Amino acid sequence: ETGVTQTPRHLVMGMTNKKSLKCEQHLGHNAMYWYKQSAKKPLELMFVYNFKEQTENNSVPSRFSPECPNSSHLFLHLHTLQPEDSALYLCASSPFAASYNEQFFGPGTRLTVL
Amino acid sequence: GENVEQHPSTLSVQEGDSAVIKCTYSDSASNYFPWYKQELGKRPQLIIDIRSNVGEKKDQRIAVTLNKTAKHFSLHITETQPEDSAVYFCAASRANQAGTALIFGKGTTLSVSS
Repeated sequence: ETGVTQTPRHLVMGMTNKKSLKCEQHLGHNAMYWYKQSAKKPLELMFVYNFKEQTENNSVPSRFSPECPNSSHLFLHLHTLQPEDSALYLCASSPFAASYNEQFFGPGTRLTVL
Repeated sequence: GENVEQHPSTLSVQEGDSAVIKCTYSDSASNYFPWYKQELGKRPQLIIDIRSNVGEKKDQRIAVTLNKTAKHFSLHITETQPEDSAVYFCAASRANQAGTALIFGKGTTLSVSS
């Protein structure tokens, strides 16, 4: 175990549903990240939080809304998603949002939008 | 912004052969280049990284080389084994005023046949 957990592991939702993904890290890190992993595409950075403050929003549509209540927890709230949003959503953490920091990934949430 | 190109997208080798994966990056300010391995159905995990003040780094059968002038870096795996079969991602750090983020390549699917 890398100390980063994600729930749920699988999620199927309709385009009108509202759901949330949860990430928790037990490593004492201060930076947390959301990535989207689609087939045959690179890991796409979505959001970066450093000490609970959002420091990066990589032009993500507003139907994805992140929340970071503390350095150990990160949420991704989903609403009115599109089928093309189906992907593996990976959370990661690192000591700080700085160079030379290894990022530790969670197992991911496999999201299917119908 | 930073852009990372990775080649080849797929690579098949015989057990015992060497494998080389190459990446190029666009931002000359990038200074940290990690490589992640993602086995089927598992999370990405760091296998080796290199900082911009070093030209080469080795760890047993794995080595990474960096050419800052040409802005490219490569992963070398010697004496490949079936358990090396996985998707390998290169990444480059991208700095902004708030911190840094990793920009990933599209990945290389390595298959090692025995």
